[in-house]
Amino acid sequence: KAGVTQTPRYLIKTRGQQVTLSCSPISGHRSVSWYQQTPGQGLQFLFEYFSETQRNKGNFPGRFSGRQFSNSRSEMNVSTLELGDSALYLCASRAGTGTTGELFFGEGSRLTVL
Amino acid sequence: EDQVTQSPEALRLQEGESSSLNCSYTVSGLRGLFWYRQDPGKGPEFLFTLYSAGEEKEKERLKATLTKKESFLHITAPKPEDSATYLCAVQGNAGGTSYGKLTFGQGTILTVHP
Repeated sequence: KAGVTQTPRYLIKTRGQQVTLSCSPISGHRSVSWYQQTPGQGLQFLFEYFSETQRNKGNFPGRFSGRQFSNSRSEMNVSTLELGDSALYLCASRAGTGTTGELFFGEGSRLTVL
Repeated sequence: EDQVTQSPEALRLQEGESSSLNCSYTVSGLRGLFWYRQDPGKGPEFLFTLYSAGEEKEKERLKATLTKKESFLHITAPKPEDSATYLCAVQGNAGGTSYGKLTFGQGTILTVHP
């Protein structure tokens, strides 16, 4: 069974640009969550989607947004990039429809902002 | 606000030298406590979920236990391939909405020398 797939794996952008990251969840998983991982802050929750609806959102500015498609694939977008947005962006999927259950993470997209 | 503190920050062991990692947490309404392993440059790999105090789970050389305030990850006779960062996370029920949101600790970097 294929795991969570994230693309691209690595990317470099400059300040002020925008970026879109893609995530394909494990087959059959309908819940997709996004996290940001940095050395200083660790793993921080961005948002969660289920059936194309955002059900939960973390404490990030509005420059961070996401969406989910009918096939459960998800994208996240960061606009007007800042140096501090350099991080590993992780997508995770979960089986079931409720609130509880383990998340299965992808390998991440490493974003460097220059 | 949910909080997770892991100790020690780093742990060096000789191959075969058993030890334990600690995860202290505060959470309003524990829905689950999760252990993950993360190798450099990769996404977190799911290890265990614990739901209630007194629960224990085992997998190969790893055993996770849970009390009302902390969790331990016991590593028995570790091997060099067990070297990784071990992350602890909790899912709470603050505000009744916790979809996809895990609060992570900073992790314990484990190094096992042959």
